[in-house]
Amino acid sequence: DGGITQSPKYLFRKEGQNVTLSCEQNLNHDAMYWYRQDPGQGLRLIYYSQIVNDFQKGDIAEGYSVSREKKESFPLTVTSAQKNPTAFYLCASSITRVSNQPQHFGDGTRLSIL
Amino acid sequence: EDQVTQSPEALRLQEGESSSLNCSYTVSGLRGLFWYRQDPGKGPEFLFTLYSAGEEKEKERLKATLTKKESFLHITAPKPEDSATYLCAVQPDYGGSQGNLIFGKGTKLSVKP
Repeated sequence: DGGITQSPKYLFRKEGQNVTLSCEQNLNHDAMYWYRQDPGQGLRLIYYSQIVNDFQKGDIAEGYSVSREKKESFPLTVTSAQKNPTAFYLCASSITRVSNQPQHFGDGTRLSIL
Repeated sequence: EDQVTQSPEALRLQEGESSSLNCSYTVSGLRGLFWYRQDPGKGPEFLFTLYSAGEEKEKERLKATLTKKESFLHITAPKPEDSATYLCAVQPDYGGSQGNLIFGKGTKLSVKP
């Protein structure tokens, strides 16, 4: 079955530590996205990528970094500069960014601070 | 400012009691409006896309409609398995340039047997 796989499901970060969240898709989609979900708030866009080796900042990119070396993979690094990283992180993909086609989501990674 | 507002925040229904969820939006231009269902601890699951006022889409007990200012998700004779948070997202159009999705905060639906 085609879909989006996020790992790990749960992740714990220590002070001063960078952590990387994995996102893999086998839908052959060009566009991929990272969102953050906090209780009582709508999803907020962190970064997106329209093609391999290209990515753009979203609304809340500070303290995060991404790479897009392969079409299937779009890992997100939460750096120590992100002072409030506790949240539910969602990865999504769509056929292209400009196609008006829906985004499809993985099942998320919940990040907590130790 | 572009904005998406969902109401109510939470809705409790008895099994079989039909109702509607609202998504009102303020954007200069609309490329599309998306409805998603999200279960606890899971990612959003795509339900519908609506592109223009007057459009309607149906899937089982759900029916989504769109006007120039809002969308409704009608739930007919709901069952307990329809309990979830329903998210609305709008894709703005900025003079031919597509904006990023703007999500509402969601409506948490509980259906009691």
